[in-house]
Amino acid sequence: RKEVEQDPGPFNVPEGATVAFNCTYSNSASQSFFWYRQDCRKEPKLLMSVYSSGNEDGRFTAQLNRASQYISLLIRDSKLSDSATYLCVVNGASGGSYIPTFGRGTSLIVHP
Amino acid sequence: DTGVSQDPRHKITKRGQNVTFRCDPISEHNRLYWYRQTLGQGPEFLTYFQNEAQLEKSRLLSNRFSAERPKGSFSTLEIQRTEQGDSAMYLCASSPTRDRRSGNTIYFGEGSWLTVV
Repeated sequence: RKEVEQDPGPFNVPEGATVAFNCTYSNSASQSFFWYRQDCRKEPKLLMSVYSSGNEDGRFTAQLNRASQYISLLIRDSKLSDSATYLCVVNGASGGSYIPTFGRGTSLIVHP
Repeated sequence: DTGVSQDPRHKITKRGQNVTFRCDPISEHNRLYWYRQTLGQGPEFLTYFQNEAQLEKSRLLSNRFSAERPKGSFSTLEIQRTEQGDSAMYLCASSPTRDRRSGNTIYFGEGSWLTVV
């Protein structure tokens, strides 16, 4: 089993739709969690951290379920500019608490 | 610009040649990471420094790969005797001393694209 798993998609949604991505991790001792966004041929950029209580940033909501070892990202009212790859990141997934481990990413395509 | 910078941004080399990439992290960040990314995959961890000490190396890092951070500031990643399978984007990232609330947030440079022909 991979340390961090994501459905690669693509998720193809119309503008205005709500879309959700999940990510599972294998190491129950993992310590911190993030979502990054990556545009084609660009570097990953931090979208948001994921806190135990869940957190929201505008149209984006992230949640953590430690019992089931998954994190989620919800995007409401999708915009064309949300088209990108969304990377799930887990610190400590492979036992090193300062090593961020990335999923392979989920591709989102928002169409008019 | 106070972000992570990488050089060169693009490198085309012949198989068997050596290549070196440089990374300048954000100035107050003491942690520095190297990742490799190929198309359709997420970044794969290669190695990690805290100041000048190399604390972790991935099994992916064969003996043809070596990384240094001699003064705890910039870092270099050298690939010796390059192979076609080394073609990828090499990403450098840095982070400050761990923040309790945000965990270990890392910030990437724009990457160095390597093509081995």
